[in-house]
Amino acid sequence: KAGVTQTPRYLIKTRGQQVTLSCSPISGHRSVSWYQQTPGQGLQFLFEYFSETQRNKGNFPGRFSGRQFSNSRSEMNVSTLELGDSALYLCASSLLRSSYNEQFFGPGTRLTVL
Amino acid sequence: DAKTTQPNSMESNEEEPVHLPCNHSTISGTDYIHWYRQLPSQGPEYVIHGLTSNVNNRMASLAIAEDRKSSTLILHRATLRDAAVYYCIPRDGGGGADGLTFGKGTHLIIQP
Repeated sequence: KAGVTQTPRYLIKTRGQQVTLSCSPISGHRSVSWYQQTPGQGLQFLFEYFSETQRNKGNFPGRFSGRQFSNSRSEMNVSTLELGDSALYLCASSLLRSSYNEQFFGPGTRLTVL
Repeated sequence: DAKTTQPNSMESNEEEPVHLPCNHSTISGTDYIHWYRQLPSQGPEYVIHGLTSNVNNRMASLAIAEDRKSSTLILHRATLRDAAVYYCIPRDGGGGADGLTFGKGTHLIIQP
């Protein structure tokens, strides 16, 4: 079974621009979560999507948004980029919504904002 | 979310057992205890999880204290590939699912 894939793997943007990151979950997985990892804040939860609906959201400004498609693929969007948005963005998929189910992470998208 | 306390770093020798402790004294009765690890330049990877009983899988064992206020991840025979940051994460099993709350974890160093 193919793992979680994320595209692109690396991205360079400038302040004020917007960016869209893509995530394809493991086949059959219906839940997709997004995380941000920075050296200062560590790994932080952004949001989770299940059945095309956002089910949970972390403590991030409204500039961070996402969506999920009927095939469970997900995208996240960051508008009006700031220097502090430079981070590794990780996507994780799981079979169902449950604390019993483990999450499978992709390799991440490294975003650099100049 | 239950708070966790883990050592910042630990060092072990290759082919020796490693015991990684985690304190989660505020854990609720329905919280599962999950462990993830993150190898250098990779996304986190699920290791193991449990509720009350000790658990084993091909990667590791999880020993949970009787009062559930602490747990220990056991790598029976460490290899260089086990060098990673290990995270202990309580997760609410009461229904629905919040995102994983990662703390700072334990940086495990394996010496050849």
